[in-house]
Amino acid sequence: KAGVTQTPRYLIKTRGQQVTLSCSPISGHRSVSWYQQTPGQGLQFLFEYFSETQRNKGNFPGRFSGRQFSNSRSEMNVSTLELGDSALYLCASSLGGSPYTQYFGPGTRLTVL
Amino acid sequence: SQQGEEDPQALSIQEGENATMNCSYKTSINNLQWYRQNSGRGLVHLILIRSNEREKHSGRLRVTLDTSKKSSSLLITASRAADTASYFCATDAGLGGNKLTFGTGTQLKVEL
Repeated sequence: KAGVTQTPRYLIKTRGQQVTLSCSPISGHRSVSWYQQTPGQGLQFLFEYFSETQRNKGNFPGRFSGRQFSNSRSEMNVSTLELGDSALYLCASSLGGSPYTQYFGPGTRLTVL
Repeated sequence: SQQGEEDPQALSIQEGENATMNCSYKTSINNLQWYRQNSGRGLVHLILIRSNEREKHSGRLRVTLDTSKKSSSLLITASRAADTASYFCATDAGLGGNKLTFGTGTQLKVEL
């Protein structure tokens, strides 16, 4: 099976712009979670989608949003970018049951100038 | 926010030696998982231990869990240069769905 894929792998934006990141989960996986990784805050949970519904949400401002499509692919959007949004954004997929193993993609490195 | 701390923050050992990393967490958990990350890339799942388990093995990995102390340890035996990576513990509070809270990570360097 193909692994989790994320596009684009690298992105450079300027403050105030918006960005959309894409994640394609492993075939058959219905849960997609997003994480932000920064040197200062480490790995932080953003949100999880399961069967097109947001099932869990982390403590991030409303500028961070996401969605999931019927084929389980997911996108996350960040509006009005700030310098502090520069990070590695990781997507993980799983079957959705519990306990579960999450399979991570390679990440999208976002740089905000 | 981080669930807890991992120590040491960094560890440097020689190939063939054992590496032990510790993780402490703050709240009750359903299970605890360990992940490896190579140089700013995606995370790879290593092992999952449920809250009612005390020890688990997988190949050269041994994980222990002490829920009374809210702590876990990961032991990598006979380390290899390829084990050089950052290691993270992640907890699942069992509140439903997939929401992991990660520790701060241990950077392991295995030298030849």
